[in-house]
Amino acid sequence: AQSVTQPDIHITVSEGASLELRCNYSYGATPYLFWYVQSPGQGLQLLLKYFSGDTLVQGIKGFEAEFKRSQSSFNLRKPSVHWSDAAEYFCAVGVGDMRFGAGTRLTVKP
Amino acid sequence: DVKVTQSSRYLVKRTGEKVFLECVQDMDHENMFWYRQDPGLGLRLIYFSYDVKMKEKGDIPEGYSVSREKKERFSLILESASTNQTSMYLCASSFFEGSYEQYFGPGTRLTVT
Repeated sequence: AQSVTQPDIHITVSEGASLELRCNYSYGATPYLFWYVQSPGQGLQLLLKYFSGDTLVQGIKGFEAEFKRSQSSFNLRKPSVHWSDAAEYFCAVGVGDMRFGAGTRLTVKP
Repeated sequence: DVKVTQSSRYLVKRTGEKVFLECVQDMDHENMFWYRQDPGLGLRLIYFSYDVKMKEKGDIPEGYSVSREKKERFSLILESASTNQTSMYLCASSFFEGSYEQYFGPGTRLTVT
Protein backbone atom coordinates (compact mmCIF):
# COMPACT_ATOMS: atom_id res chain seq x y z
CA ALA A 1 0.00 0.00 0.00
CA GLN A 2 1.17 3.49 -0.71
CA SER A 3 2.06 5.72 2.23
CA VAL A 4 4.04 8.83 3.09
CA THR A 5 6.00 9.76 6.19
CA GLN A 6 6.97 13.30 7.05
CA PRO A 7 9.20 12.90 10.11
CA ASP A 8 9.14 16.55 11.16
CA ILE A 9 5.87 17.85 12.58
CA HIS A 10 7.13 21.40 13.08
CA ILE A 11 10.23 23.23 11.87
CA THR A 12 11.37 26.75 12.71
CA VAL A 13 13.91 28.55 10.55
CA SER A 14 15.15 32.11 10.43
CA GLU A 15 14.28 34.28 7.47
CA GLY A 16 17.01 33.98 4.86
CA ALA A 17 18.16 30.58 6.08
CA SER A 18 17.97 27.45 3.98
CA LEU A 19 15.20 24.90 4.38
CA GLU A 20 14.85 21.17 3.90
CA LEU A 21 11.63 19.30 4.59
CA ARG A 22 11.85 15.54 4.62
CA CYS A 23 9.53 13.07 2.95
CA ASN A 24 9.77 9.28 2.75
CA TYR A 25 7.34 7.22 0.74
CA SER A 26 6.28 3.64 0.23
CA TYR A 27 4.99 2.71 -3.19
CA GLY A 28 5.00 -0.47 -5.24
CA ALA A 29 5.95 0.98 -8.59
CA THR A 30 7.51 4.11 -10.00
CA PRO A 31 6.03 6.78 -7.82
CA TYR A 32 4.30 9.97 -8.78
CA LEU A 33 5.36 12.38 -6.04
CA PHE A 34 4.02 15.78 -5.09
CA TRP A 35 4.58 18.60 -2.64
CA TYR A 36 1.69 20.85 -1.69
CA VAL A 37 1.58 23.95 0.49
CA GLN A 38 -1.34 25.14 2.60
CA SER A 39 -1.36 28.68 3.92
CA PRO A 40 -3.59 29.42 6.91
CA GLY A 41 -7.26 29.26 5.97
CA GLN A 42 -6.51 28.19 2.41
CA GLY A 43 -6.80 25.06 0.31
CA LEU A 44 -3.75 23.18 -0.92
CA GLN A 45 -1.58 24.52 -3.72
CA LEU A 46 0.80 22.40 -5.75
CA LEU A 47 4.46 23.38 -5.37
CA LEU A 48 6.03 20.74 -7.61
CA LYS A 49 5.71 17.18 -8.87
CA TYR A 50 7.91 14.31 -10.04
CA PHE A 51 6.99 11.55 -12.49
CA SER A 52 10.18 10.56 -14.24
CA GLY A 53 13.38 11.93 -15.73
CA ASP A 54 15.60 14.42 -13.94
CA THR A 55 15.53 13.63 -10.25
CA LEU A 56 15.86 17.28 -9.26
CA VAL A 57 12.63 19.11 -9.96
CA GLN A 58 11.95 22.81 -9.77
CA GLY A 59 8.71 24.24 -8.52
CA ILE A 60 7.03 27.51 -7.83
CA LYS A 61 8.13 30.08 -5.24
CA GLY A 62 11.79 29.03 -5.51
CA PHE A 63 11.28 25.50 -4.16
CA GLU A 64 12.96 22.39 -5.48
CA ALA A 65 12.84 18.71 -4.54
CA GLU A 66 15.11 15.77 -5.17
CA PHE A 67 13.89 12.23 -5.79
CA LYS A 68 16.17 9.53 -4.40
CA ARG A 69 14.92 6.08 -5.25
CA SER A 70 17.52 4.29 -3.12
CA GLN A 71 16.33 6.17 -0.05
CA SER A 72 12.62 6.30 -0.98
CA SER A 73 12.79 10.01 -0.33
CA PHE A 74 11.55 13.19 -1.96
CA ASN A 75 12.85 16.06 0.17
CA LEU A 76 11.79 19.65 -0.43
CA ARG A 77 14.39 22.44 -0.33
CA LYS A 78 14.64 26.18 -0.57
CA PRO A 79 17.94 28.06 -0.39
CA SER A 80 16.59 31.18 1.33
CA VAL A 81 13.30 31.22 3.21
CA HIS A 82 10.98 34.24 3.18
CA TRP A 83 8.50 35.12 5.93
CA SER A 84 5.67 34.39 3.47
CA ASP A 85 6.77 30.74 3.29
CA ALA A 86 5.31 30.12 6.74
CA ALA A 87 2.66 27.48 6.07
CA GLU A 88 2.00 23.76 6.28
CA TYR A 89 3.65 21.53 3.72
CA PHE A 90 2.37 18.16 2.58
CA CYS A 91 4.13 15.45 0.63
CA ALA A 92 1.96 13.06 -1.37
CA VAL A 93 2.36 9.92 -3.48
CA GLY A 94 0.06 8.19 -5.89
CA VAL A 95 -1.51 7.72 -9.27
CA GLY A 96 -5.17 8.66 -9.25
CA ASP A 97 -5.96 8.30 -5.57
CA MET A 98 -3.20 9.96 -3.63
CA ARG A 99 -1.90 9.45 -0.11
CA PHE A 100 -0.65 12.37 1.94
CA GLY A 101 1.80 12.70 4.78
CA ALA A 102 0.79 14.22 8.11
CA GLY A 103 2.35 17.54 7.13
CA THR A 104 5.18 19.74 8.38
CA ARG A 105 4.35 23.14 9.80
CA LEU A 106 6.97 25.76 8.98
CA THR A 107 7.49 28.78 11.21
CA VAL A 108 9.78 31.57 9.96
CA LYS A 109 11.56 33.73 12.53
CA PRO A 110 12.32 37.33 11.60
CA ASP B 1 -7.48 28.66 -13.82
CA VAL B 2 -8.97 25.50 -12.41
CA LYS B 3 -11.65 26.25 -9.93
CA VAL B 4 -12.92 23.88 -7.27
CA THR B 5 -15.62 25.36 -5.09
CA GLN B 6 -17.20 24.04 -1.93
CA SER B 7 -20.66 25.03 -0.83
CA SER B 8 -19.74 26.35 2.61
CA ARG B 9 -16.58 27.55 4.35
CA TYR B 10 -18.02 27.00 7.81
CA LEU B 11 -20.86 24.76 8.93
CA VAL B 12 -22.27 23.97 12.36
CA LYS B 13 -24.58 20.99 12.74
CA ARG B 14 -26.11 19.03 15.59
CA THR B 15 -25.44 15.40 16.41
CA GLY B 16 -27.71 13.13 14.40
CA GLU B 17 -28.38 15.59 11.59
CA LYS B 18 -27.90 14.63 7.97
CA VAL B 19 -25.21 16.82 6.43
CA PHE B 20 -24.47 17.49 2.77
CA LEU B 21 -21.18 18.93 1.60
CA GLU B 22 -21.12 19.96 -2.04
CA CYS B 23 -18.15 20.30 -4.36
CA VAL B 24 -18.13 21.62 -7.91
CA GLN B 25 -15.23 21.77 -10.39
CA ASP B 26 -15.14 23.60 -13.70
CA MET B 27 -12.28 21.83 -15.52
CA ASP B 28 -14.09 18.77 -16.85
CA HIS B 29 -12.01 16.53 -14.56
CA GLU B 30 -12.98 12.88 -14.42
CA ASN B 31 -11.66 12.27 -10.89
CA MET B 32 -13.03 13.83 -7.75
CA PHE B 33 -12.00 13.24 -4.14
CA TRP B 34 -13.11 13.94 -0.59
CA TYR B 35 -10.58 14.20 2.24
CA ARG B 36 -10.78 15.11 5.86
CA GLN B 37 -7.92 17.01 7.45
CA ASP B 38 -7.13 16.76 11.15
CA PRO B 39 -4.11 18.16 13.03
CA GLY B 40 -1.27 15.66 13.13
CA LEU B 41 -3.01 13.28 10.74
CA GLY B 42 -2.71 15.17 7.48
CA LEU B 43 -5.26 14.48 4.76
CA ARG B 44 -7.10 11.19 4.83
CA LEU B 45 -9.05 9.97 1.83
CA ILE B 46 -12.73 9.33 2.49
CA TYR B 47 -14.14 8.53 -0.96
CA PHE B 48 -13.27 9.18 -4.57
CA SER B 49 -14.93 8.88 -7.94
CA TYR B 50 -13.53 8.21 -11.42
CA ASP B 51 -16.73 8.87 -13.29
CA VAL B 52 -20.36 9.81 -12.95
CA LYS B 53 -22.25 7.40 -10.69
CA MET B 54 -19.02 5.62 -9.76
CA LYS B 55 -17.49 5.71 -6.30
CA GLU B 56 -14.64 4.04 -4.50
CA LYS B 57 -13.95 3.85 -0.78
CA GLY B 58 -10.87 5.53 0.51
CA ASP B 59 -9.17 4.86 3.81
CA ILE B 60 -11.86 6.14 6.19
CA PRO B 61 -15.31 5.73 4.55
CA GLU B 62 -17.20 4.73 7.70
CA GLY B 63 -20.00 7.14 8.53
CA TYR B 64 -19.89 8.79 5.10
CA SER B 65 -21.45 8.28 1.71
CA VAL B 66 -21.07 10.12 -1.60
CA SER B 67 -23.05 10.97 -4.68
CA ARG B 68 -21.90 11.87 -8.18
CA GLU B 69 -24.83 12.45 -10.50
CA LYS B 70 -23.03 14.96 -12.74
CA LYS B 71 -19.42 15.06 -13.82
CA GLU B 72 -18.72 18.44 -12.25
CA ARG B 73 -20.35 17.79 -8.88
CA PHE B 74 -19.37 15.45 -6.03
CA SER B 75 -21.30 15.43 -2.77
CA LEU B 76 -20.23 14.08 0.59
CA ILE B 77 -23.03 12.97 2.90
CA LEU B 78 -22.91 12.41 6.62
CA GLU B 79 -26.00 10.31 7.23
CA SER B 80 -26.08 10.98 10.98
CA ALA B 81 -23.44 13.46 12.06
CA SER B 82 -21.41 12.69 15.15
CA THR B 83 -19.01 14.84 17.16
CA ASN B 84 -16.03 12.81 15.93
CA GLN B 85 -16.80 14.03 12.42
CA THR B 86 -15.92 17.57 13.41
CA SER B 87 -13.10 18.35 10.97
CA MET B 88 -11.95 20.24 7.90
CA TYR B 89 -13.24 18.65 4.71
CA LEU B 90 -11.38 19.18 1.46
CA CYS B 91 -12.57 18.38 -2.03
CA ALA B 92 -10.20 17.88 -4.96
CA SER B 93 -10.35 16.98 -8.65
CA SER B 94 -7.97 15.76 -11.33
CA PHE B 95 -7.84 14.30 -14.82
CA PHE B 96 -8.12 10.52 -15.12
CA GLU B 97 -4.80 10.28 -16.91
CA GLY B 98 -1.76 12.47 -17.26
CA SER B 99 -0.14 14.30 -14.39
CA TYR B 100 -2.64 13.16 -11.73
CA GLU B 101 -2.17 16.55 -10.12
CA GLN B 102 -5.09 17.29 -7.83
CA TYR B 103 -6.69 20.70 -7.52
CA PHE B 104 -8.21 21.56 -4.18
CA GLY B 105 -11.13 23.60 -2.98
CA PRO B 106 -10.83 25.97 -0.01
CA GLY B 107 -12.30 23.48 2.45
CA THR B 108 -15.35 23.32 4.71
CA ARG B 109 -14.79 23.53 8.45
CA LEU B 110 -17.57 21.37 9.93
CA THR B 111 -18.39 21.49 13.62
CA VAL B 112 -20.82 18.93 15.03
CA THR B 113 -22.20 19.81 18.46
